[in-house]
Amino acid sequence: GENVEQHPSTLSVQEGDSAVIKCTYSDSASNYFPWYKQELGKGPQLIIDIRSNVGEKKDQRIAVTLNKTAKHFSLHITETQPEDSAVYFCAAKGERTGNQFYFGTGTSLTVIP
Amino acid sequence: EAQVTQNPRYLITVTGKKLTVTCSQNMNHEYMSWYRQDPGLGLRQIYYSMNVEVTDKGDVPEGYKVSRKEKRNFPLILESPSPNQTSLYFCASSAVSYNEQFFGPGTRLTVL
Repeated sequence: GENVEQHPSTLSVQEGDSAVIKCTYSDSASNYFPWYKQELGKGPQLIIDIRSNVGEKKDQRIAVTLNKTAKHFSLHITETQPEDSAVYFCAAKGERTGNQFYFGTGTSLTVIP
Repeated sequence: EAQVTQNPRYLITVTGKKLTVTCSQNMNHEYMSWYRQDPGLGLRQIYYSMNVEVTDKGDVPEGYKVSRKEKRNFPLILESPSPNQTSLYFCASSAVSYNEQFFGPGTRLTVL
């Protein structure tokens, strides 16, 4: 099956700085890559996703880039705010794995005021 | 309000005592899924369902059963729970598999 690796596992940034979280995947047939944010005590919530026919997608302060050749995708958060503090998960899904999702192990982001 | 509900939210049980965690969504979603979340391991998919009467194994299906008799409900059954099934469980649903998944609030299960 698919293998998704996520780095770093923890990340601390000063408020206003940028944060970058990276994920790699193993199955070249994967074609859908969502990012989820999980706040303490809650279920994950989608913040942005990208499909394999697109190289970059942006939504206000959040952007995702996808490099299909290298099989990696990254989450970029600019002008970070304390409310961005949470655990972030990347995931991958592809035709070869049917309709199964594979998640990374998560990144705990702390934004220091 | 569009939502995914799970019950119970917390459960402490003993080894071997059958239990069911219910999951219901009110968004008419076709795709439903169960995940377990463990420290350092992220979210791992247990089972998923593309539609009524259609279920498939995820990455970690051993020790679990599911059923999808109605579109809105997707219960998770542990017929003989063991301590290694102590975990935080999430149910999720989406319109189709390539769309945003909406997660429930989670069920924290402890098996003694």
